Amino acid sequence: EVQLLESGGGLVQPGGSLRLSCVASGFTFSSRAMSWVRQAPGKGLEWVSAIIGTGGTTYYADSVKGRFTISRDNSKNTLYLQINSLRAEDTAVYYCAMSFEMDYWGQGTLVTVSS
Amino acid sequence: DIQMTQSPSSLSASVGDRVTITCRASQGISNYLAWFQQKPGKAPKSLIYGASSLQSGVPSKFSGSGSGTDFTLTISSLQPEDFATYYCQQYNSYPYTFGQGTKLEI
Repeated sequence: EVQLLESGGGLVQPGGSLRLSCVASGFTFSSRAMSWVRQAPGKGLEWVSAIIGTGGTTYYADSVKGRFTISRDNSKNTLYLQINSLRAEDTAVYYCAMSFEMDYWGQGTLVTVSS
Repeated sequence: DIQMTQSPSSLSASVGDRVTITCRASQGISNYLAWFQQKPGKAPKSLIYGASSLQSGVPSKFSGSGSGTDFTLTISSLQPEDFATYYCQQYNSYPYTFGQGTKLEI
């Protein structure tokens, strides 16, 4: 059974940083691209970033480019999202999702940016 | 960036109805189109990938069609558990983009 478990969210002040994690199980992690998708309160889904299985290539939405960094540790079956220079508009539930087609999703972790 | 436009934004229906949601891409995306269902407070769930392939475990009442720029999601014989928000998403090219969502209400 595929499982994705995000953690690392919380309340952070504007300009602050967080590192989100997503621990995967139930599939061969290193062979799958992974994505982060976020959802602001009461809003729709926004794709944030993706990384291929080897970790060699990454992709970002323009809204986060230069502030967010996606990475993965295939030895630990873990996906990361380092988020810096946080803004109020980054407040959202952050989900990790498996594969290009986003076949499976985690339960999400809430990031709140507020002073 | 490829823009995804869903219609309608909201839809009222009754148990037993058959409904169709459409999704239009601003440029051709072949069949790199997925559909997701999201219930309040829950993570999205994948229903369809490749425009028409049903995810494992998803009931056959859900069906998808289309290619290029125009796509549809059809749900037959609506049940109470089907009332949710539905999103389309293109994965033809980065940045991936979602439709704005269609809220299916009783």
